[in-house]
Amino acid sequence: GQQVMQIPQYQHVQEGEDFTTYCNSSTTLSNIQWYKQRPGGHPVFLIQLVKSGEVKKQKRLTFQFGEAKKNSSLHITATQTTDVGTYFCAGPGMDSNYQLIWGAGTKLIIKP
Amino acid sequence: KAGVTQTPRYLIKTRGQQVTLSCSPISGHRSVSWYQQTPGQGLQFLFEYFSETQRNKGNFPGRFSGRQFSNSRSEMNVSTLELGDSALYLCASSEKGAPYEQYFGPGTRLTVT
Repeated sequence: GQQVMQIPQYQHVQEGEDFTTYCNSSTTLSNIQWYKQRPGGHPVFLIQLVKSGEVKKQKRLTFQFGEAKKNSSLHITATQTTDVGTYFCAGPGMDSNYQLIWGAGTKLIIKP
Repeated sequence: KAGVTQTPRYLIKTRGQQVTLSCSPISGHRSVSWYQQTPGQGLQFLFEYFSETQRNKGNFPGRFSGRQFSNSRSEMNVSTLELGDSALYLCASSEKGAPYEQYFGPGTRLTVT
């Protein structure tokens, strides 16, 4: 079945270092969405990418959608403690348009 | 606009009992999706309702059911609770429906003992 793989599962960084998470779909996606879940919180919608090769920025966050629309990445420059959480990617299901297929998430941990 | 609300926020039930969770979407949103989240399992899709119709269902046993009312509020019911049903249950509302952007409620933390 359709899968959305996300790597790495965890990433430990020193505050101020960069962070990147990658998302790969087994099928072409019409769009890809990114969400952030803080510890103890709920997922919060960050952004949606629709176009092949699209790049969008939100302050220190850069989101990219691959040319083939099968992969995406989220890059955070100079991480801060407020960035801590789990970042999820999600894309529409191939078999059903009424469902998002979610990656397992990448947990960003700031080293003390 | 007010965000998505879920009640109750915490629930402790005994194995074999049943439970009903409630979700009120953002005003104007006609789609509500339900997810189960357990540590290490990510977000598992339960079902999606749009204008009172269930449009899609995830791979969960029939003990998990839901419905949506004419005011878009949704309920999820789990019958004959099992220990493995302990999880955070999240609902998400969407203006256009899944698979467009979804706005999550704070969740209901269910513990089955």
